[in-house]
Amino acid sequence: DVKVTQSSRYLVKRTGEKVFLECVQDMDHENMFWYRQDPGLGLRLIYFSYDVKMKEKGDIPEGYSVSREKKERFSLILESASTNQTSMYLCASSAAGAGTGELFFGEGSRLTVL
Amino acid sequence: GEDVEQSLFLSVREGDSSVINCTYTDSSSTYLYWYKQEPGAGLQLLTYIFSNMDMKQDQRLTVLLNKKDKHLSLRIADTQTGDSAIYFCAVSSGGYQKVTFGTGTKLQVIP
Repeated sequence: DVKVTQSSRYLVKRTGEKVFLECVQDMDHENMFWYRQDPGLGLRLIYFSYDVKMKEKGDIPEGYSVSREKKERFSLILESASTNQTSMYLCASSAAGAGTGELFFGEGSRLTVL
Repeated sequence: GEDVEQSLFLSVREGDSSVINCTYTDSSSTYLYWYKQEPGAGLQLLTYIFSNMDMKQDQRLTVLLNKKDKHLSLRIADTQTGDSAIYFCAVSSGGYQKVTFGTGTKLQVIP
C-alpha cells in the first residue's frame, strides 16, 4: 500500500523554538509538497520540491524553510516558531511526468505554538 | 496566482443529491480534482477531470466542467452518512503540476 508518513501527528512547541516536521514517501515520487491547512482558508502551499536538493517557494513561504537531501524525505523547518504558525501541516507527494498529478497525502501534523 | 473558491458548508438529507460548486481563475489549468478529507485524516483523491472534458461520471459521482465560466461542480447521487467529509476542489497548472486548493466545503449529511 502506497504511503506518505509524517513523523509526528501532534506537536506542542514554544515561541522561538526551532521545529522540524519530517515526511517520508515510499512511492519513489519526484515531487513533494508541504501545505498548511487552516479553517476557512483551505490548503495553502508553503514549499515544494521536484528533485533532490531542489526547492521552490509556494504561496506562503515566509517563516519556513525546507530540506530534501534524499528523494523519499522532505523536511519542513520552522526556524523560530511563532503563534501564527499554529496549524495543521500536510505533506504530499506526486509522480513527475505526464500523469494526472494526483497528490498522495500524509495524515497531517498538528502543530501548536504557545 | 491561481485562486480557487468554494462555499464553506453544505447540508443535505440522506438519500438526496449533493452538489458542491467551485470556481477558479487560471484558464490554463490542466487537471481539476476533487479531494475528500475525512475527520482526522489527510486528503484522498476522489475524482478528477482533464481540462478538455466537460463531464465525467464515476458511479455516484458526476463532475461537470464549464471552462467558459471557470466553474467546476461535483454531484454526489444518493448521498449517504459516510459521505460526510470536507471536499476540496483543486486545480493544477504549470510545469511542475503545482496544485492549488480551494477552501473546502464541509458536507453534512442528515440521517
